[in-house]
Amino acid sequence: DVQLTQSPPFLSASVGDRVTITCRASQGIARYLVWYQQKPGKAPKLLIYGASTLESGVPSRFSGSGSGTEFTLTISSLQPEDFATYYCQYLNNDPYMYTFGQGTKLEIK
Amino acid sequence: QITLKESGPTLVKPTQTLTLTCTFSGFSFTTGEVGVGWIRQPPGKALEWLALIYWSDDKHYNPSLKNRVTIAKDTSKNQVVLTLTNMDPVDTATYYCAHRREKTYFFDLWGQGTLVTVSS
Repeated sequence: DVQLTQSPPFLSASVGDRVTITCRASQGIARYLVWYQQKPGKAPKLLIYGASTLESGVPSRFSGSGSGTEFTLTISSLQPEDFATYYCQYLNNDPYMYTFGQGTKLEIK
Repeated sequence: QITLKESGPTLVKPTQTLTLTCTFSGFSFTTGEVGVGWIRQPPGKALEWLALIYWSDDKHYNPSLKNRVTIAKDTSKNQVVLTLTNMDPVDTATYYCAHRREKTYFFDLWGQGTLVTVSS
């Protein structure tokens, strides 16, 4: 099974900062990596799929990159509404299983 | 516009069986590789995928829960039902249902979630 490891688990930053979150896969997964944003008390929201394709309606300050085993989510200029927890996700085909990373909580400094 | 909403008990006792219903609208569960999945999240913890069902009635389960979890659909009612047997306090979580976009590998729309507490 593919395991996803996110780093850092917690990140403190200020409005206007550029931040990067990393998701590492235990084996190569091409570009089949997804990112979600979750705010407290809310359901996750799809941000990026295919490692770098922005979901419709997601601000362009969000970007994703990577392939194989290392992926990054970058927010170019943090806005107040971006403070949330971010999860990466992959679909393992054998066994069939959706795997999520442990999350990165982005907090206001 | 696709919407999903979870319903079911908020409190169950240990050893009981949990049954949750996901009622959806805005998409047809009769064509394509549309799927509906269940994902849970214990308080303060990460997301965990439980099960997924396709329009074709093909079903997939998290191997760690395979003996306890069942998923089924009622196309006529636009509902997907999750059953989890032998509930334990560690199963306390917010349970989400989500729409898996056709022919993809991710969930593009989620219900609001429902918190289920397991306690005697």
